[in-house]
Amino acid sequence: DQQVKQNSPSLSVQEGRISILNCDYTNSMFDYFLWYKKYPAEGPTFLISISSIKDKNEDGRFTVFLNKSAKHLSLHIVPSQPGDSAVYFCAASIITGANSKLTFGKGITLSVRP
Amino acid sequence: EAQVTQNPRYLITVTGKKLTVTCSQNMNHEYMSWYRQDPGLGLRQIYYSMNVEVTDKGDVPEGYKVSRKEKRNFPLILESPSPNQTSLYFCASSSSDRVIGQPQHFGDGTRLSIL
Repeated sequence: DQQVKQNSPSLSVQEGRISILNCDYTNSMFDYFLWYKKYPAEGPTFLISISSIKDKNEDGRFTVFLNKSAKHLSLHIVPSQPGDSAVYFCAASIITGANSKLTFGKGITLSVRP
Repeated sequence: EAQVTQNPRYLITVTGKKLTVTCSQNMNHEYMSWYRQDPGLGLRQIYYSMNVEVTDKGDVPEGYKVSRKEKRNFPLILESPSPNQTSLYFCASSSSDRVIGQPQHFGDGTRLSIL
């Protein structure tokens, strides 16, 4: 049973427009949510996170929104740039025993057209 | 430069031939873990380590071993590799496993093909 879901496998947007990447989760015990970006032949790199007690976190062009009642979060990128083209993973963090475990979604491929 | 280094980056081998993927981090992180990435499945945790000589299973530990004899190193061992272990593997580290939301730093990945 997948606890973190990224249902859209890909998204294509025009440069300068907004990119909205969605993520749904099923486990209400998740404490933190994180977004990672991954380029081909590289490992994931941390982008932005949000605590479960907040509903918005902003860092430059990147904003993450959390709707706990809907168990839904989204990453907004404004304005989108060609260098943002990558795979984006949504991840959720929970402490289980002694392990602060990250559960990842399948990822979404973002393409930003010049 | 802060980094997590994995070796090799690519390996093609045959069923049953023992192999080790090394992972080293230079950030003095206590927490290290291994993930595998498969199409349509995202990243799944194999093993993790909270500190030297402390390791435990993640979600998909079958067929793998790890060791943590030094803080900086966390090798992944496949004693008898099988084709279903063909995957892209990532090592990650972070400063504390108990800091909720602490982002993990990932290596660039090791692509293993088991024939």
